[in-house]
Amino acid sequence: KNQVEQSPQSLIILEGKNCTLQCNYTVSPFSNLRWYKQDTGRGPVSLTIMTFSENTKSNGRYTATLDADTKQSSLHITASQLSDSASYICVTLRGNTGNQFYFGTGTSLTVIP
Amino acid sequence: KAGVTQTPRYLIKTRGQQVTLSCSPISGHRSVSWYQQTPGQGLQFLFEYFSETQRNKGNFPGRFSGRQFSNSRSEMNVSTLELGDSALYLCASSLMESGAYEQYFGPGTRLTVT
Repeated sequence: KNQVEQSPQSLIILEGKNCTLQCNYTVSPFSNLRWYKQDTGRGPVSLTIMTFSENTKSNGRYTATLDADTKQSSLHITASQLSDSASYICVTLRGNTGNQFYFGTGTSLTVIP
Repeated sequence: KAGVTQTPRYLIKTRGQQVTLSCSPISGHRSVSWYQQTPGQGLQFLFEYFSETQRNKGNFPGRFSGRQFSNSRSEMNVSTLELGDSALYLCASSLMESGAYEQYFGPGTRLTVT
């Protein structure tokens, strides 16, 4: 069954600290994996897109890693800011099926001062 | 460039009614995808349109339908509304078919069915 699972479901960290969010997927064949940030009341905003040949991709303080062998991805946030408080969604595209996306249910991150 | 716009932003309907939501993609984008987002299920894919043709469809009943116009604007229709249709409906546009391209999401339409 094609699935995307994220952990933890929610996370609270102090401002300035680092954190890592996890994503495990069983989607096959795999085409690419995306991380989105969704602020409350807004649409998701893309952070990174990675294909199976990419191990790491950064976007400012956000760094995503991908291990296509173990079907795991992580999103590392460095020096967190209050504005990082949001839901982070992992999305996998299944290959050879057009545009069949599979979404995780997200990790809700709260950064407190 | 202006972002993806969705209208209306909020909507309250009664069970059994129908509703039409509108999405205007970023200028030049030819693909529009629709998603339903609920607290329990997360984001779920409804369908994607590219050059006025439906290219892919998720696992939703036939009450959910859509179309795309020649200017790439898209509408989504839900007939015979049920309480479970209450959700945030998001549309996303991309330059070409969304598989290999960046998707840009609109702010969503919050639909409440009473």
